[in-house]
Amino acid sequence: ETGVTQSPTHLIKTRGQQVTLRCSSQSGHNTVSWYQQALGQGPQFIFQYYREEENGRGNFPPRFSGLQFPNYSSELNVNALELDDSALYLCASSPIGGGAHYNEQFFGPGTRLTVL
Amino acid sequence: GNSVTQMEGPVTLSEEAFLTINCTYTATGYPSLFWYVQYPGEGLQLLLKATKADDKGSNKGFEATYRKETTSFHLEKGSVQVSDSAVYFCALSVPIYGNNRLAFGKGNQVVVIP
Repeated sequence: ETGVTQSPTHLIKTRGQQVTLRCSSQSGHNTVSWYQQALGQGPQFIFQYYREEENGRGNFPPRFSGLQFPNYSSELNVNALELDDSALYLCASSPIGGGAHYNEQFFGPGTRLTVL
Repeated sequence: GNSVTQMEGPVTLSEEAFLTINCTYTATGYPSLFWYVQYPGEGLQLLLKATKADDKGSNKGFEATYRKETTSFHLEKGSVQVSDSAVYFCALSVPIYGNNRLAFGKGNQVVVIP
């Protein structure tokens, strides 16, 4: 069983640029969530996608947007990058239905974004 | 709103010592509670969870009990190893309309000295 994968691993951008981060969910998972983890902090919820639609959003501006594809993979797009966007971006997927893994989220290794 | 508070500061202890990390929460409804661990340079791994009051989650020698009366979910391990050195995050989820977003605490760095 393949876990959650993310690409790229690291990325360096300059202020004002745009960036796209990618995530492949774990097999059998239909929900994808994105989190931002600043250095030394806990992850902060950005948004969640279910059946290709946004299903909940945290306190992030509209320049953070996303997509989910029919195969449940997802993208996070950030426009007009700011220095404070430098962080580890984590993707997490959740399984379909309940059972032993009810309400769990499985995280990928993250993408480290540096904005200069 | 839903939030999690973890004790301040890193935790440094010797191998085979007893570990406790405090976690308290504020939530509307009936949250599920989680402990995640993050090793250097990696993403988050689920360590254990509890979905209702008085449940005890356990894994790899770690335990935590869901205490509704004190709104707490403290993490404990009786004898730590050097390999337990990592950052530990307490988190909660209150599913609303199928959205199981997680709210995390700030995390505690645990350093185990041989």
